[in-house]
Parts: sequence; structure tokens; C-alpha cells
Amino acid sequence: EAGVAQSPRYKIIEKRQSVAFWCNPISGHATLYWYQQILGQGPKLLIQFQNNGVVDDSQLPKDRFSAERLKGVDSTLKIQPAKLEDSAVYLCASSLQASKNTEAFFGQGTRLTVV
Amino acid sequence: QQQVKQSPQSLIVQKGGISIINCAYENTAFDYFPWYQQFPGKGPALLIAIRPDVSEKKEGRFTISFNKSAKQFSLHIMDSQPGDSATYFCAASNFNKFYFGSGTKLNVKP
Repeated sequence: EAGVAQSPRYKIIEKRQSVAFWCNPISGHATLYWYQQILGQGPKLLIQFQNNGVVDDSQLPKDRFSAERLKGVDSTLKIQPAKLEDSAVYLCASSLQASKNTEAFFGQGTRLTVV
Repeated sequence: QQQVKQSPQSLIVQKGGISIINCAYENTAFDYFPWYQQFPGKGPALLIAIRPDVSEKKEGRFTISFNKSAKQFSLHIMDSQPGDSATYFCAASNFNKFYFGSGTKLNVKP
């Protein structure tokens, strides 16, 4: 079974530039998450999708971050404009369903450095 | 507000020793408590998980102890090996919304 795929693996941008990350979840997984992991900290949920609808985006800085999950499969996370404090690893995860707790599978993440 | 508090931040254990990592939570609505293991450059991977209707779960060298009344749970790694050196995260979940602890960096010395 293929895992959660993310690209790119690494990205370096200047502050005020824009960047986009892509995630392809495990086939058949209805729930998709984007997490932000700052160095030395645990992952922090940015947004959770159930199919192509948003379940929770309460911690997404909506003035600069946006995410979409077209057709309930792939997802993109965009930052525009980026700030220095956005430097982090952005993790995508997916799980089979949201009606009861099931394992979340993580991708390898995209390491973003904002200079 | 941090939903899940984890300690210690770092841990050094000799090979063959027992590693113990502790977590505490406040929200009694949480009903799933997984532990994730993360190696450098990799995403977290599920190690072991427990639901609050049991007090202990064991899988190989890994055991979760769960104290519902104290709202605490812990991970015990028996016979710790150098290959166990990684960062460990506890988490708590309700309706598949996961809250992670701050992580424990474990170093098992040969």
C-alpha cells in the first residue's frame, strides 16, 4: 500500500514570497490533515478535511494560509505571503474515516525555510 | 492552550534499560491515545495506541499505561535498543482530531 505522498521535500523562499505544498493521501482515506511542525515541537493541526469539505480550520492563519482538497483526493496548502516564523515542516496525514478514531498516516513532510 | 503535556523533553537510557515517557491531558472527551515515533527527516509513524476503556496495552517491548482518573498515560519501552533512538510524541484524539504533545527525544546509548 502506497503511503502519503508529499512534494516538494524541501523549499527555501524569501519572506513575502508565496509557496505551495502538495499532498496525495492514501487511496480511499476520507480524512486529510495538514500539520505544522516547528523544530523541537509537536505537530500542530492547521486544517482537517473530510472528503472535500473542511472539518476544522480554527488554527489556520487565514490571512496568509489557504488549503483546498479538490475532488476529495489531493490537497494543496499555500502560504502567501510567507513570514520568517512560517519556517517549519509541513506534514500531511490521512486516515480512513472520521466517524471514529482511526490511525493517522503521515507523509515525510515538506521542510520550509523562509529567509 | 496546550491540550497534551509531555515529559521529559529528552531522555538518555543505556541499552537494555527501560525508557518511560509521560503525558497528561485535560479534555475528558478524548477517546483515543496514540504514541508516534519519529526519526529525523521522516514523518511520525504510529507505534502503539490505547482507548480509555483499558488500563494497559502491550505490544512487544512497548507498553502504554493509562490512568483515566488521573488523566495521564505513559509509554514504557522495555529492553531499550539504540535503534529506538528517536523522538516520541503522545497524542490524544476525539473525532479523529489529534492533539500532540511536545515530544521526547530519546537517546539509547550502546
